[in-house]
Amino acid sequence: DQQVKQNSPSLSVQEGRISILNCDYTNSMFDYFLWYKKYPAEGPTFLISISSIKDKNEDGRFTVFLNKSAKHLSLHIVPSQPGDSAVYFCAADWGATNKLIFGTGTLLAVQP
Amino acid sequence: DAMVIQNPRYQVTQFGKPVTLSCSQTLNHNVMYWYQQKSSQAPKLLFHYYDKDFNNEADTPDNFQSRRPNTSFCFLDIRSPGLGDAAMYLCATSERGKDYEQYFGPGTRLTVT
Repeated sequence: DQQVKQNSPSLSVQEGRISILNCDYTNSMFDYFLWYKKYPAEGPTFLISISSIKDKNEDGRFTVFLNKSAKHLSLHIVPSQPGDSAVYFCAADWGATNKLIFGTGTLLAVQP
Repeated sequence: DAMVIQNPRYQVTQFGKPVTLSCSQTLNHNVMYWYQQKSSQAPKLLFHYYDKDFNNEADTPDNFQSRRPNTSFCFLDIRSPGLGDAAMYLCATSERGKDYEQYFGPGTRLTVT
C-alpha cells in the first residue's frame, strides 16, 4: 500500500518553461512534505520542504504547493534549466515515526 | 566537505554468500538510516539508528542486520543474499529532530549472481 504516489514516471519540459511535478498521499497524519532531487550515480539531495500547516513554500526557482483537502502537493520549477534534469522524489514525514515515506520518483528532462 | 560516504559503490556477491556494505559520515549526525531501492521503486527504509538505539522496520527481512559501532560508521550485513536482494542500498543521516532533512550517500549497487 503506497502512501505517497507519483503517478508520472517522467516529464519533459522546454528550457525556460515551468516544470510541474505532482505527488499524492493518503495518510492525513503526515506533517511534513519534502522534495528530493537525484542525479545519476548520486544519492538523493534535499531540495525543499513544506509543513502541513502551510500551503506554499518558495525557495528561488522552486515552489512547493500543498493542498491538504486533496492530499496533493506539487513542485513548480520556473524557469526550468537543463541542470534541473534529474529524478525528483516526493517524500512525507510523520513526526511520530521519525522516518520518511518516499514516492517512486519522476524523471524530469529539461530540453535546451 | 562534510558528507556521507558509501563503500563499495558496486558490490557483486554470490547467492547465499554473506556481504557487508559500509557507510561513514563526517556530518556528526545522530541518526543514520539504511534504505533499499529497487529499480523504478521508491526507496524503502530498512532500519535506522537514533544514536545507538536500533529501530527495525516491521517488514525488514531477518536476513538483513545492521551495526553502528560509533557515530561515524554504520554497516549493513546481508547474511544470505538472494536474487531478490539485488538493489541499490542507500545510507542517509540526519540531525536529531530533523529527520525530514536527510543527507544521502551515493549508494551501493548490489548484484547477486
